[in-house]
Amino acid sequence: DTAVSQTPKYLVTQMGNDKSIKCEQNLGHDTMYWYKQDSKKFLKIMFSYNNKELIINETVPNRFSPKSPDKAHLNLHINSLELGDSAVYFCASSQGLQGGGGYTFGSGTRLTVV
Amino acid sequence: GESVGLHLPTLSVQEGDNSIINCAYSNSASDYFIWYKQESGKGPQFIIDIRSNMDKRQGQRVTVLLNKTVKHLSLQIAATQPGDSAVYFCAETSNDYKLSFGAGTTVTVRA
Repeated sequence: DTAVSQTPKYLVTQMGNDKSIKCEQNLGHDTMYWYKQDSKKFLKIMFSYNNKELIINETVPNRFSPKSPDKAHLNLHINSLELGDSAVYFCASSQGLQGGGGYTFGSGTRLTVV
Repeated sequence: GESVGLHLPTLSVQEGDNSIINCAYSNSASDYFIWYKQESGKGPQFIIDIRSNMDKRQGQRVTVLLNKTVKHLSLQIAATQPGDSAVYFCAETSNDYKLSFGAGTTVTVRA
C-alpha cells in the first residue's frame, strides 16, 4: 500500500554508465516531481510533471531525462553518469500544492557513482 | 540564492522539553509554507502547513507560526520525544508546482 514507491533504493555504478530510476504513485495525484538531495541534505527540485506534461525543468543537465508514460509514473534516466551525480534522488507527488497537503515523497534512491 | 533558509543547522534538546525550529524566507510572493520531517534513510514526511493568510496553526504537539512582516516561520514541538530526532525542513511556494526547501535543522533529543 506504499503511496509513492521508487526503485531501486540503492544504485552503485561506474562513471559513464547510463541508469534509470523508476517512480510510481497510487494516490491519484496529477503532479509528480524529482528532487535531488545532496550530501548536506539540501533538497533541490529537478523536474515537475503535471498530467504527463513537463512543467518545470530546473536547469538540469540534459543527461537527465524524465519520462512520464502516464500520470502515475515518472521515471528518471541518467546518461553518462558523473561523480557529481552521486546523491539521493526523491520522487514525490501532489494534487496541486495550492490544494494543501504538500508533497508525498518516496523513500529515495541513493545513487553512488564510482 | 535560495528562497528559504534556517537559522541553525543543529538543535539539541532534552527529552520532554519544547523545541523551536526557525526558518527565514525571502520570497514576498510565498503564500504557502510547509514543515517536513526526515528520518534517516527515509523521504521527507509532511508535518504541518500554513497559508499566508494565517499566523498560527496547531497540530498534534506541533505549532507553526508565521510572521510575514519579517518573513519568518517557526515550528514548535511540545514535549519533545526521542522519536522526534530527525532533520526538519521548511518549504515554501508561490505556485502550484514547486516547493523550495531550506537547508534543514538536525534535531537530536537527549534522554
